Amino acid sequence: NAGVTQTPKFQVLKTGQSMTLQCAQDMNHEYMSWYRQDPGMGLRLIHYSVGAGITDQGEVPNGYNVSRSTTEDFPLRLLSAAPSQTSVYFCASSRGRHGYTFGSGTRLTVV
Amino acid sequence: LAKTTQPISMDSYEGQEVNITCSHNNIATNDYITWYQQFPSQGPRFIIQGYKTKVTNEVASLFIPADRKSSTLSLPRVSLSDTAVYYCLVGDTGAGSYQLTFGKGTKLSVIP
Repeated sequence: NAGVTQTPKFQVLKTGQSMTLQCAQDMNHEYMSWYRQDPGMGLRLIHYSVGAGITDQGEVPNGYNVSRSTTEDFPLRLLSAAPSQTSVYFCASSRGRHGYTFGSGTRLTVV
Repeated sequence: LAKTTQPISMDSYEGQEVNITCSHNNIATNDYITWYQQFPSQGPRFIIQGYKTKVTNEVASLFIPADRKSSTLSLPRVSLSDTAVYYCLVGDTGAGSYQLTFGKGTKLSVIP
């Protein structure tokens, strides 16, 4: 049972490049979310999904796209990377109110 | 989403009981209270969740008064490995939506 798997663990991008952060869970959870965490800060919600085919924006959605074609996968796409998107990104999944399970994070640096 | 307020930091000696209080004056009827723990370079980890009164599991207890405007996470006999950031969250898990809003959390430092 792998839980929530995020890839890659580390990534360096140049300004303007695009990329996709992968997130997969094997717990059949209906809820999935993406958060970013900046130094000394709590986590801020980017996008979330309540099931396959359903996504919605969180607190800081600008510059990011998501899709949820399957229950297992919830990729996060950076359309045109900017230095302000340098952060640690966490994916999480949950079965209703039973608490979220977080991945180990992707540390992204945009230069 | 109800806003939460908790202390920025706390220090404790090993072996002591630690109580971290969270204020959530605008909690709604359907909201649950959840606490997470985060170590450096790791994702948050679910600790405990409750709706009212007291909840206890193998790692912590959660005390919620009748008015539910605050809650207290209690960690018995902390060790150095309990040094982490602790987040209090309040959210409605019904109606097909479950968003979690994290504040800055409480940084707990356990001293030998």
